[in-house]
Amino acid sequence: KNQVEQSPQSLIILEGKNCTLQCNYTVSPFSNLRWYKQDTGRGPVSLTIMTFSENTKSNGRYTATLDADTKQSSLHITASQLSDSASYICVVSALGGATNKLIFGTGTLLAVQP
Amino acid sequence: NAGVTQTPKFRVLKTGQSMTLLCAQDMNHEYMYWYRQDPGMGLRLIHYSVGEGTTAKGEVPDGYNVSRLKKQNFLLGLESAAPSQTSVYFCASNPFRQDQETQYFGPGTRLLVL
Repeated sequence: KNQVEQSPQSLIILEGKNCTLQCNYTVSPFSNLRWYKQDTGRGPVSLTIMTFSENTKSNGRYTATLDADTKQSSLHITASQLSDSASYICVVSALGGATNKLIFGTGTLLAVQP
Repeated sequence: NAGVTQTPKFRVLKTGQSMTLLCAQDMNHEYMYWYRQDPGMGLRLIHYSVGEGTTAKGEVPDGYNVSRLKKQNFLLGLESAAPSQTSVYFCASNPFRQDQETQYFGPGTRLLVL
């Protein structure tokens, strides 16, 4: 069964600190892995997309890594800001027919405190 | 360029009532999707469309119908609302297949069925 599991469920950090969010997946056949940021009351916004051959990808203070062998990904946030408070969702795309199937994790809720 | 918009933002229905959720995108995207997001669960695909005049079932299609009469619009209908359909509904779109394409999400419609 295709699954995406994220940890921790929630996290509180102080402004300026770094943090790392984890994503483990069992999805086959694998196409790509995405990280989304979802602010409260808003739709998800894409941060990164990584294919099988990519180990790391950055978007400003966000850096995603992918280990396709162990089927693990992480999202590292550097020098956190209050605006980073949001839910971070890991999504794995499985190759399909007319359209790939996206398997969504349940997200990690991050709270950045001053 | 408004991106993906959804109407209405919030709605309360009584059991058995019907309604239509409207999604519109001005990016000329071929693919459009309807998801629902429930507490403790990842986003789940209801229906999707790979182009004007086409629709297909997703993971949780029961109780919903869709239409894509115009490329820019994707409608989600509830013929007889049930409390189990209380959820936040998100529309999304992307230009072509999802392999390398970012999905763009709308702001969501919060639906409460009493």
